[in-house]
Amino acid sequence: AQSVTQLGSHVSVSEGALVLLRCNYSSSVPPYLFWYVQYPNQGLQLLLKYTTGATLVKGINGFEAEFKKSETSFHLTKPSAHMSDAAEYFCAVRAGGTSYGKLTFGQGTILTVHP
Amino acid sequence: NAGVTQTPKFQVLKTGQSMTLQCAQDMNHEYMSWYRQDPGMGLRLIHYSVGAGITDQGEVPNGYNVSRSTTEDFPLRLLSAAPSQTSVYFCASRKGTGGDTEAFFGQGTRLTVV
Repeated sequence: AQSVTQLGSHVSVSEGALVLLRCNYSSSVPPYLFWYVQYPNQGLQLLLKYTTGATLVKGINGFEAEFKKSETSFHLTKPSAHMSDAAEYFCAVRAGGTSYGKLTFGQGTILTVHP
Repeated sequence: NAGVTQTPKFQVLKTGQSMTLQCAQDMNHEYMSWYRQDPGMGLRLIHYSVGAGITDQGEVPNGYNVSRSTTEDFPLRLLSAAPSQTSVYFCASRKGTGGDTEAFFGQGTRLTVV
């Protein structure tokens, strides 16, 4: 079984400030981890993913995430927030080692960026 | 490429009515899935398919049917709509070559059952 917990359903930052969205997972096997972004009235778009190898993963729009196995975490960061980053962000986990693995999503975190 | 296309974008149903949500992809992806999105609950898997003719239940399958007669299409049927099925529905597809492949999502169907 696998699960994802996103800490904080709403995060508010000022433009130019650090963005930190927290994600903790549980998985009985080495996981694949994903961050998706959803802009209003749109579908989900992949920001970045961790599969194997380097634990610091860089994604689109200046976001990055670090896989920490000892902490079972995959937190999303961006050094300087932009107004266009306002959206809902979802962390997701899929069990590794299988061809078809179900993607399990966290509850989502709504990011608000203030001028 | 159109990617994943869902129709309709919006729908209002009366309790007890049936309808089909359409999903089509033009990327020749083996895997397709249906999710529902409810506030504070993330996305939950309804049904999925690993190829034409093969479907299976996800986390919340009750009240929904699916079939996969072609690689491209994966319709979701609501048999007798209930207010609890008011939600936003997303279809997704991905290549079946490994667990790390990216899922591509449609724009969603916003369904209201009154």
